[in-house]
Amino acid sequence: LAKTTQPISMDSYEGQEVNITCSHNNIATNDYITWYQQFPSQGPRFIIQGYKTKVTNEVASLFIPADRKSSTLSLPRVSLSDTAVYYCLVGEAGGYNKLIFGAGTRLAVHP
Amino acid sequence: DTAVSQTPKYLVTQMGNDKSIKCEQNLGHDTMYWYKQDSKKFLKIMFSYNNKELIINETVPNRFSPKSPDKAHLNLHINSLELGDSAVYFCASSPTGGNQPQHFGDGTRLSIL
Repeated sequence: LAKTTQPISMDSYEGQEVNITCSHNNIATNDYITWYQQFPSQGPRFIIQGYKTKVTNEVASLFIPADRKSSTLSLPRVSLSDTAVYYCLVGEAGGYNKLIFGAGTRLAVHP
Repeated sequence: DTAVSQTPKYLVTQMGNDKSIKCEQNLGHDTMYWYKQDSKKFLKIMFSYNNKELIINETVPNRFSPKSPDKAHLNLHINSLELGDSAVYFCASSPTGGNQPQHFGDGTRLSIL
C-alpha cells in the first residue's frame, strides 16, 4: 500500500486559495488518489478523487503531475467553514484492499 | 434522510461491560466498514464487509465482533470493555470496496469509566 505524507498543519485567511500537497512516492499503477475532509465531531467526508492530470468539482480541484508521485488539493477562496482536517489517501479503485488514513493536514482559516 | 446512521451517538459505560453500536446505510451500497479514531485522531480501519461477507479484519482483539444481518446493516459488539477501547467509532459504506468514495456516519463516542 502506498504511504502518503502531508503537512501536519496549515494556516490561511478567508478568501485565499489554499493548496495542500500530498506525497505518495510508491503509488501503484492501479491506485487512485482520494481526498477527504473531517470537521470536529463528524465523520470524514469525500471531497474529490483523481487518477492523473486535473480533476475539478464544485468544492475543489485536484492536480496530479505526470509521475503521480504527489498530488495537490486546491481549495479556492476558503472561508472559516473550511477549517478542518484534510486526508489524502491512495488505493485501488476496485478490489477490497484497505485504505489507510494518515494524520492528515489540519487547516485553520482565520478571519 | 441520513445516509449512514449510527446509534448511539454517545456511549458511557463501565470497564468489563458488553456494548453494541448499530450502523445502517440507506445508500444501497454493498460494502460497509468500521473505523476507530483514537485520541490522537488517527483513523484506523477495523473491519470491512461486502454483501454480509467479512472482507477485511485488521488486528483487532477478539472482544470486537462485527455482525452484518444484511448489506444495509453492520453492527459492532464489544465484549469486556477496557479503558483502551475509549475512542470514536465510525461506520462507513461505499458502493464496492477499494478506493471507492466512502460515506461516513457521525461517529459513536465511547467512553469507558
